[in-house]
Amino acid sequence: EAQVTQNPRYLITVTGKKLTVTCSQNMNHEYMSWYRQDPGLGLRQIYYSMNVEVTDKGDVPEGYKVSRKEKRNFPLILESPSPNQTSLYFCASSFVPSTEAFFGQGTRLTVV
Amino acid sequence: GQQVMQIPQYQHVQEGEDFTTYCNSSTTLSNIQWYKQRPGGHPVFLIQLVKSGEVKKQKRLTFQFGEAKKNSSLHITATQTTDVGTYFCAGRGLGGADGLTFGKGTHLIIQP
Repeated sequence: EAQVTQNPRYLITVTGKKLTVTCSQNMNHEYMSWYRQDPGLGLRQIYYSMNVEVTDKGDVPEGYKVSRKEKRNFPLILESPSPNQTSLYFCASSFVPSTEAFFGQGTRLTVV
Repeated sequence: GQQVMQIPQYQHVQEGEDFTTYCNSSTTLSNIQWYKQRPGGHPVFLIQLVKSGEVKKQKRLTFQFGEAKKNSSLHITATQTTDVGTYFCAGRGLGGADGLTFGKGTHLIIQP
C-alpha cells in the first residue's frame, strides 16, 4: 500500500531536549516536505527536499533541521525544542512539487 | 513571497445546502490543488487544475480555475454530513522549484 509513515504520532517533550520525527515513503517520490499546522494559520511549509542531499527552507524553517540521505526518508529534527514549536506536523511526498501530495498521519508535538 | 488567501474561514450550512470556498493568489499560479482534511485526519488530495479557465467535476464537487490563473473555487452541491472537514487550496508559482503554498483552509460545519 502506497503510504507516508510518520513516527511518533504523539510526543510530549521538555524544552531543549533534542528530538527527531521520522518520515518514510514507499512510492519512490523525489519530492518530500514538512508542514506544521496551527489553528487559524493553516499548513505552513517548514522544509522541503527535491531529491537526495537536496534540501531547502520553506516559509517557517527557524528552529528546525532536516536531512535527506536516502530517497525514502526525510526526518525532521528539533535540536532545542521550545514551546512555540508545539504543533501538528505533517510530512508529505510527491513525484515532483507540482503533482499530488501524499500526507502522513501527522505528529502532534507538545513542548512543555 | 507568494500568498494564497482563502475565504471564508468557517462556513456553517444546513445539510442539503450548497457550499463554496474561494481561493486567491497574489501571483499567477502554474497549477492549483485542492485537499480535504477530515476532523482528526490528514489532508487528502482531491484534484489539480492546470489550465486557465478549467472546470472539473467530481460528483457533487465542482472546481474552477480562473482565467488569469490567480483564483480558484470549490463548490459543493447539496452538502451531506460526510462533507464535513476543512478544505484547503494549494498553489504553486510559475517556474520555480518551490513547493505548494497552502491557503488557511475553510472549515465546513454541517448542521443536520
